[in-house]
Amino acid sequence: QKEVEQNSGPLSVPEGAIASLNCTYSDRGSQSFFWYRQYSGKSPELIMFIYSNGDKEDGRFTAQLNKASQYVSLLIRDSQPSDSATYLCAVNSGGSNYKLTFGKGTLLTVNP
Amino acid sequence: SQTIHQWPATLVQPVGSPLSLECTVEGTSNPNLYWYRQAAGRGLQLLFYSVGIGQISSEVPQNLSASRPQDRQFILSSKKLLLSDSGFYLCAWSARRNTEAFFGQGTRLTVV
Repeated sequence: QKEVEQNSGPLSVPEGAIASLNCTYSDRGSQSFFWYRQYSGKSPELIMFIYSNGDKEDGRFTAQLNKASQYVSLLIRDSQPSDSATYLCAVNSGGSNYKLTFGKGTLLTVNP
Repeated sequence: SQTIHQWPATLVQPVGSPLSLECTVEGTSNPNLYWYRQAAGRGLQLLFYSVGIGQISSEVPQNLSASRPQDRQFILSSKKLLLSDSGFYLCAWSARRNTEAFFGQGTRLTVV
């Protein structure tokens, strides 16, 4: 059973701080990694993807991947109250597998 | 640009009634299509995925079925709803394997 694990939170940070969200996965053959943001009552929206070890930056967001440790993280710099949402980590195992396996998500609250 | 439409947004159905949720994608051809369900505290569960017309793969045994009568149309159905079918149903598409999935607005189904 391929699993994606996230701390459910809630993770609470003050406005302007760095929020760090973590995710581990069980399938060592996983090839593609995604972070989605989901506001309450809404559908998930893609914010980042990463395929290679290392860091990938996009504005205030940085995704970090360490395949040896089977670990992927998302850093949000200068956190804003509008960043308050549930963040979902998703993993695709590649090959003939077309499916994304999602973690249960981490609830982030940014306090003004 | 590609868009995905899913309807209705909310639905209240009695136990034992049938169900039909429809999803269509515009602006792309031969997408991979997915149906997910999100229940409280359980994360996103993949129900069905399809790589082409008439090709449906089921992930979990359940009271639901899916069909893909046209390239960009994906339908989720049930002959008789159960209380346990309540949840947030999400349709998604991806361009090809190993790439990100994009979600529709979702349907919140309450079975009473």
